[in-house]
Amino acid sequence: GIQVEQSPPDLILQEGANSTLRCNFSDSVNNLQWFHQNPWGQLINLFYIPSGTKQNGRLSATTVATERYSLLYISSSQTTDSGVYFCAVEGYNAGNMLTFGGGTRLMVKP
Amino acid sequence: EAQVTQNPRYLITVTGKKLTVTCSQNMNHEYMSWYRQDPGLGLRQIYYSMNVEVTDKGDVPEGYKVSRKEKRNFPLILESPSPNQTSLYFCASGGGIAHGYEQYFGPGTRLTVT
Repeated sequence: GIQVEQSPPDLILQEGANSTLRCNFSDSVNNLQWFHQNPWGQLINLFYIPSGTKQNGRLSATTVATERYSLLYISSSQTTDSGVYFCAVEGYNAGNMLTFGGGTRLMVKP
Repeated sequence: EAQVTQNPRYLITVTGKKLTVTCSQNMNHEYMSWYRQDPGLGLRQIYYSMNVEVTDKGDVPEGYKVSRKEKRNFPLILESPSPNQTSLYFCASGGGIAHGYEQYFGPGTRLTVT
């Protein structure tokens, strides 16, 4: 099946700093989504981005499908950004099944 | 508001006592799925359904049952729960090939089996 790797696995930032999270995947995809899992365990949709670039406030994401990677940018980080960020992809023949990466655990310090 | 709901949100039970976790979506999605999340193992798919009366096994189906009698509901049934089914469970729904691939997740159900 499709492989999804995220980096870095852990990241500690000072409030106000910027960061880039990376997601590499091993095959062509129908779907790529970024999620934020908050400290209460909820998975929050950030972006649906199988290709191209999107922005939502301080967050933006870019997926280069031909090179099989996606980047999530967090600017001016806040303590509420802490949690785990997951990239999840659905391969062309995956029948809607999402394969999750291992996540990036982010801690933003005040 | 478009959403996926799960109940209960938290459940502590004993080995062997049958339980059902309900999942409902109001987006008219064909596709629904259950995942479990465990430390060090990430999120793994249990079962999925492409439409009413159509269900299929995911990566870790053992010990679980599902049914899809209505489009909006996709309950997860544990006939005889065991401690290794202690986990955080997520239900998800998506529009699939006809309506776009984005998937939406419920708030999660934290299950403890003693």
